[in-house]
Amino acid sequence: QKEVEQDPGPLSVPEGAIVSLNCTYSNSAFQYFMWYRQYSRKGPELLMYTYSSGNKEDGRFTAQVDKSSKYISLFIRDSQPSDSATYLCANTDKLIFGTGTRLQVFP
Amino acid sequence: GAGVSQSPSNKVTEKGKDVELRCDPISGHTALYWYRQSLGQGLEFLIYFQGNSAPDKSGLPSDRFSAERTGGSVSTLTIQRTQQEDSAVYLCASSLADGQGNGQPQHFGDGTRLSIL
Repeated sequence: QKEVEQDPGPLSVPEGAIVSLNCTYSNSAFQYFMWYRQYSRKGPELLMYTYSSGNKEDGRFTAQVDKSSKYISLFIRDSQPSDSATYLCANTDKLIFGTGTRLQVFP
Repeated sequence: GAGVSQSPSNKVTEKGKDVELRCDPISGHTALYWYRQSLGQGLEFLIYFQGNSAPDKSGLPSDRFSAERTGGSVSTLTIQRTQQEDSAVYLCASSLADGQGNGQPQHFGDGTRLSIL
């Protein structure tokens, strides 16, 4: 079992939809999680980072960590075509990244 | 301000040749990381530096891979006797303070796309 698992998608949604991106992790000691967005032929760009459990909101983005189920989520409200990219979850306790979920938002 | 800069952006070379990839981190960032990203794969951790020393080299795939960092700034990743399976995007990132076990966000460059013929 990989220590951080992520559904590769692709996930295709209409503009304006609420998007839910998810990862699971196996090590209950993990505390620091981050979400990155990666456009084609570009490096990952940091979106959100969280520590332990709870929610963190930034504009249209909300990151959520549920330590009891070892589940992390990124929600995107009012999705836009410009959100079309690959989204990577990461744990920085051990520098482990998920494989990324490819998201396409169509007009 | 300037972000993480990597060069070259693309590199095509023949199997068996040596290649050197360069990373210029964000000024003031003491931690520097190298990752490899293959098509359809996540980021594979290779090595990280705290200052000029590399506490964790566990991700280097073979002894053909080496990295160094000088002056607490620029880092080079060298691959000797390249093989076709080395073809990938090599990404560099930097952050404040220590590399592992803390919440310092990493900032990435756009990578070097390496193709081995």
